[in-house]
Amino acid sequence: ETGVTQSPTHLIKTRGQQVTLRCSSQSGHNTVSWYQQALGQGPQFIFQYYREEENGRGNFPPRFSGLQFPNYSSELNVNALELDDSALYLCASSKDRDYGYTFGSGTRLTVV
Amino acid sequence: QQPVQSPQAVILREGEDAVINCSSSKALYSVHWYRQKHGEAPVFLMILLKGGEQKGHEKISASFNEKKQQSSLYLTASQLSYSGTYFCGTEMENNDMRFGAGTRLTVKP
Repeated sequence: ETGVTQSPTHLIKTRGQQVTLRCSSQSGHNTVSWYQQALGQGPQFIFQYYREEENGRGNFPPRFSGLQFPNYSSELNVNALELDDSALYLCASSKDRDYGYTFGSGTRLTVV
Repeated sequence: QQPVQSPQAVILREGEDAVINCSSSKALYSVHWYRQKHGEAPVFLMILLKGGEQKGHEKISASFNEKKQQSSLYLTASQLSYSGTYFCGTEMENNDMRFGAGTRLTVKP
């Protein structure tokens, strides 16, 4: 197993800018989810993709969007960055919803 | 609709047992349990599906009361490596996954 790889590991952006975070899942993992984790808190569900279609979304505004590709990679895009978007962004993948998720190590985003 | 975890923190001596609880106000499809060490990614421990199926590590024990939408994680004969923050994740039928605030477990020699 190759695990889940996220890039970049750290990123600093200016308020108002746009950012794209990337995730490479394990082969055969058709489900990928993205989470935002603030310091000392549990991960907050952003959205989930299954076979390249969004099939679940948490309480995040439309400026948070995503894509999943046939090669098991995915992206999280955030437009019009706000200071409160500063957090650790985690990608997690699974064979399907009846299995646990494998998390990546995350991207630490700082918005200044 | 974030699940409620209890306790918030627990300190154990090696060899002692602990129970971490997770409660949801929503009807659930599944409950997940993860452990996260400082600066690392959450690691999967167990998934409990409605209907009674469970998948996870052999040394981990958990329960899911579907009527009450409550789950418990049982840590027995704790080891130093068990230290970390434990999160329960509750997934609803619509794939909406919510995580609790976490339970910080410290195991001391």
